[in-house]
Amino acid sequence: NAGVTQTPKFQVLKTGQSMTLQCAQDMNHNSMYWYRQDPGMGLRLIYYSASEGTTDKGEVPNGYNVSRLNKREFSLRLESAAPSQTSVYFCASSETVSVYEQYFGPGTRLTVT
Amino acid sequence: RKEVEQDPGPFNVPEGATVAFNCTYSNSASQSFFWYRQDCRKEPKLLMSVYSSGNEDGRFTAQLNRASQYISLLIRDSKLSDSATYLCVVNRNTGGFKTIFGAGTRLFVKA
Repeated sequence: NAGVTQTPKFQVLKTGQSMTLQCAQDMNHNSMYWYRQDPGMGLRLIYYSASEGTTDKGEVPNGYNVSRLNKREFSLRLESAAPSQTSVYFCASSETVSVYEQYFGPGTRLTVT
Repeated sequence: RKEVEQDPGPFNVPEGATVAFNCTYSNSASQSFFWYRQDCRKEPKLLMSVYSSGNEDGRFTAQLNRASQYISLLIRDSKLSDSATYLCVVNRNTGGFKTIFGAGTRLFVKA
């Protein structure tokens, strides 16, 4: 049982390049999330998907897009990367939003030069 | 003011010590509360949920005080392996879902 998987683990981009971070969960969870974590700050929610077919903005959505491809997969796209998007990105899932605990993937370390 | 605040530490304690962390939240509509543990360069992992009645899991005890809007985590008989960052998490789903992570409290347990 893999839980939540993310690819890639590491990525270096040049300013203006685009890329997609992939996330998949095998726990049959309805809800999925994308966060970024910067030094000295808590995780901040970028986007979430309460259920298959829905996506909503979180606290810091600017510069990102998401796709809930199916119940298992939730991808995060950077259309034109900026140095301010250098961060560690975590995907998470939970049974539903709100009251249930979230399970996290191992993270993607992204550097934008 | 941040919606969820934690003492960043670090807390440096000897093995066997008891250590307590507090976390305050500002929105009284918050509905669910958790403590997560995050090891260096790893993902957060759920440590325990926090209930108004208080809950205990081995050496760990969590408490929620809704009136004063804080949650606490007590670790008894600290082990070297408890060294990590402890994250407080507060969720609500009124007027839209919101999940707020505290910045974390670092704990170092030394032999």
